[in-house]
Amino acid sequence: GNSVTQMEGPVTLSEEAFLTINCTYTATGYPSLFWYVQYPGEGLQLLLKATKADDKGSNKGFEATYRKETTSFHLEKGSVQVSDSAVYFCALSTGGGNKLTFGTGTQLKVEL
Amino acid sequence: GAGVSQSPSNKVTEKGKDVELRCDPISGHTALYWYRQRLGQGLEFLIYFQGNSAPDKSGLPSDRFSAERTGESVSTLTIQRTQQEDSAVYLCASRIAGANQETQYFGPGTRLLVL
Repeated sequence: GNSVTQMEGPVTLSEEAFLTINCTYTATGYPSLFWYVQYPGEGLQLLLKATKADDKGSNKGFEATYRKETTSFHLEKGSVQVSDSAVYFCALSTGGGNKLTFGTGTQLKVEL
Repeated sequence: GAGVSQSPSNKVTEKGKDVELRCDPISGHTALYWYRQRLGQGLEFLIYFQGNSAPDKSGLPSDRFSAERTGESVSTLTIQRTQQEDSAVYLCASRIAGANQETQYFGPGTRLLVL
């Protein structure tokens, strides 16, 4: 079956630091990959996605590249801000309804 | 336009009672999903509706859980004889059906606490 593994948090960084949140997956077929973000007190929002190998998803300064050879989709940002503090979820979907399989989430705290 | 809405936002119930959770998807979204997020865990898929097709119920954890959807509109998730382990945030998502339309849009969730 499908599964997603992401690094445990919380991750605490100073503002302007470089961010990496690791995500690896196991899937049958060729999944689409996603990062969703949940800001404090808000619902889950799509941050970025990639639908095939070597695609790079990007949004709000965040990037992730679909690496089929390492089955990974690591999230990166060059310079984090306090407003990036949130919980980040890596997820995948495959055919048959595109239901999502999520990782457990990584809490990011950015401090001044 | 309006996003996915869910009600109630919070629900506290006693063990053994039945609860009903409601989801209003984005207009025109034919696919609708229910997920559960228990404390400290990722989201678990529960059930998926696509148009008039038979729903995919493969994620429902027990026969106490059921869901309905009328056409392409509102969906209700019912939990009978609630147990403490049912305490979670229940999230609904909707999606436009079709090729290259994988993105799901989530509602704010219903936080259920079973005492």
